[in-house]
Parts: sequence; C-alpha cells; structure tokens
Amino acid sequence: GAGVSQSPRYKVAKRGQDVALRCDPISGHVSLFWYQQALGQGPEFLTYFQNEAQLDKSGLPSDRFFAERPEGSVSTLKIQRTQQEDSAVYLCASRDRRSSYEQYFGPGTRLTVT
Amino acid sequence: KNEVEQSPQNLTAQEGEFITINCSYSVGISALHWLQQHPGGGIVSLFMLSSGKKKHGRLIATINIQEKHSSLHITASHPRDSAVYICAVRSGGNGNKLVFGAGTILRVKS
Repeated sequence: GAGVSQSPRYKVAKRGQDVALRCDPISGHVSLFWYQQALGQGPEFLTYFQNEAQLDKSGLPSDRFFAERPEGSVSTLKIQRTQQEDSAVYLCASRDRRSSYEQYFGPGTRLTVT
Repeated sequence: KNEVEQSPQNLTAQEGEFITINCSYSVGISALHWLQQHPGGGIVSLFMLSSGKKKHGRLIATINIQEKHSSLHITASHPRDSAVYICAVRSGGNGNKLVFGAGTILRVKS
C-alpha cells in the first residue's frame, strides 16, 4: 500500500507566523513519530504517539511546538510564532506494532523561516 | 559528546571500491539501525540489528555489543549508492525513540 506521506513538502514562513505540518502514516500503523532534522545533521526526536495518545513529547524544543493525532491516524505538528532556528526538515515516521520496531519514514517537510 | 558518533563524515569513493562506515555509541541499546537518506529527505531502513551480522545484497552490517560499535560495508560500490548513511540506536531504557548519528555523506564516482 501507500507509504507515509507528508504535506506540504516545502513551506516558507515569515518569522512569527504559525505553521501546520501534516503526516499521513501507513494505514493501520499504531505508532507515529516526529523528528526534526537540521541541515547537515541527523534527525532528532520530537514526539511519539501510540494511537491518539501522545506518550512522549520530551523532544519538543519549546512550548511553541504542539503535536496532535486526535483519531489515531493523521497527525499534525504545529509550530507557533516561528523563529529562524525552526528552519529544518520535519520527518514523520510510522510503525506497525508487529514490525519489531522498524520505522517507515515520510519524505519530510522542509520548513524555511525567513 | 554525542551519544552516537559516525565516521567518516564525508567519503568519496571510486566505483567498485569496498566502503566501510563506522558507528560508535555510548549508551546501552536494544537495537541499532542503519538508514539511507537520498537528497530530498526520504529515509529508507537498511538494517536493524542487535547482534552479529546481517547481509542484504551488496550491503553488510555488523555490530559488536561489547565494544559498542557497528560498521556498514558496501561491496562493489556504484554511483547509485551515493547517499547519506545514518546510524541510529534504540536505547534499552526507552523502546520507542531513536537517537541518530549525524550521518556519513557518501559519493561514489564512476
């Protein structure tokens, strides 16, 4: 079936704007992860959902970052009052409960804050 | 010091060469992942291993738990292998999140 999809693929925001990034996981995948990848760096964990429950949000860098997954499928990562340091690729990954922890990644959303 | 260190950061090879990318980690882990990332962001899982060695086509991954070290080998490298290779560990204390290395940028020239 279809893989993990993310939208938009590219987003340019002016500093101070709010943005919303969407992730559509593989159908039936229980777990969903958000990662932030700065230029030239490896991804860094932001938050994790199991179904609709946000079980770990320890990686969210500030209270301007908020994620939700209200029906246990699609997830939205929202960044309020964007700052230049928020510029990065935001990756979403999903995992089947039966896949022994293998995560399937989406193509990412490249956010540029000007 | 980062929990996951990769070397080298950049690697340029000639087509056909044998390539090794190294990963060292400083935390206890339950598994280690090798991932491939092409320009544009897409990440593909290559291997997940917790001991020993795995082979898939021209790719071989090994891990030494005692030394906290893993290697990814590419035999008979090809320009299409050019990508960023990322090592990530899943710690024993938290089975859910991955901690990533910074990646190794590989370029294979024809």
